[in-house]
Amino acid sequence: GAVVSQHPSWVICKSGTSVKIECRSLDFQATTMFWYRQFPKQSLMLMATSNEGSKATYEQGVEKDKFLINHASLTLSTLTVTSAHPEDSSFYICSASPDTEAFFGQGTRLTVV
Amino acid sequence: AQKVTQAQTEISVVEKEDVTLDCVYETRDTTYYLFWYKQPPSGELVFLIRRNSFDEQNEISGRYSWNFQKSTSSFNFTITASQVVDSAVYFCALLSYNTDKLIFGTGTRLQVFP
Repeated sequence: GAVVSQHPSWVICKSGTSVKIECRSLDFQATTMFWYRQFPKQSLMLMATSNEGSKATYEQGVEKDKFLINHASLTLSTLTVTSAHPEDSSFYICSASPDTEAFFGQGTRLTVV
Repeated sequence: AQKVTQAQTEISVVEKEDVTLDCVYETRDTTYYLFWYKQPPSGELVFLIRRNSFDEQNEISGRYSWNFQKSTSSFNFTITASQVVDSAVYFCALLSYNTDKLIFGTGTRLQVFP
C-alpha cells in the first residue's frame, strides 16, 4: 500500500520555540494532506487540510498563526508549531490519500517543556 | 453534519472471548466510506478495513469480521477468539466523498487479558 512518512517521530522543545513536522508521501502524489492532533486517551481531531500550492484550510478553533502549514510540493506538507507552549504537547499525525483510502504517517509526539 | 459514535469507551475481555466493537455514524451524503483503524500503544494507525456506502456485504478477514447495516447506520467490528495482541484502541472513521475529510469516532480501548 501507499506509504506516508512523518518526521520526527518525537521531539522535545523548550517553551517559546518553534517546531517543524514533516509529512511526505513516498510513492504517490498528494494534492491534499490532513493534519490531526490527538491528546492522550482521546480521539484524533482534524486540525487542517493542507492544499498543495494554496493556503491550508483550518478547522474551527484551530489557530492558523499558531499552526503554520506549508504544502509546497505534491509530496511534502509541513506543520510548524510556533511559539510552542506546554499545552501544545500532543501527538500530531498526518494523512494523505491516493484515492479514497487514507494512509497515515507514524505520528510525532511533541513535548513542550 | 458528520459524526461517528463509539459508545464503548473501554472493553475488557479474557483471551479467546469474542468481542464486538460498536460504531454508529451520521451523514447526509449518499456516497461515503467507513473505516476501522487499530492504534497500538506505539501510536501509529493500522488500517483494518474500508467499506463504501454502496457495499453492504459483511466481510470476514481471519478473526476479524465487520457488519455494515445501512438501515441502522452502523458498522460494527467483531474480533473472534481475542488475543492479548489485540489490545489497542480501535477507531471507526467516516470519509465523506464530498469533503474528503476523515472524521474519527472517540475510539474504544480494548484490553485482552491472558
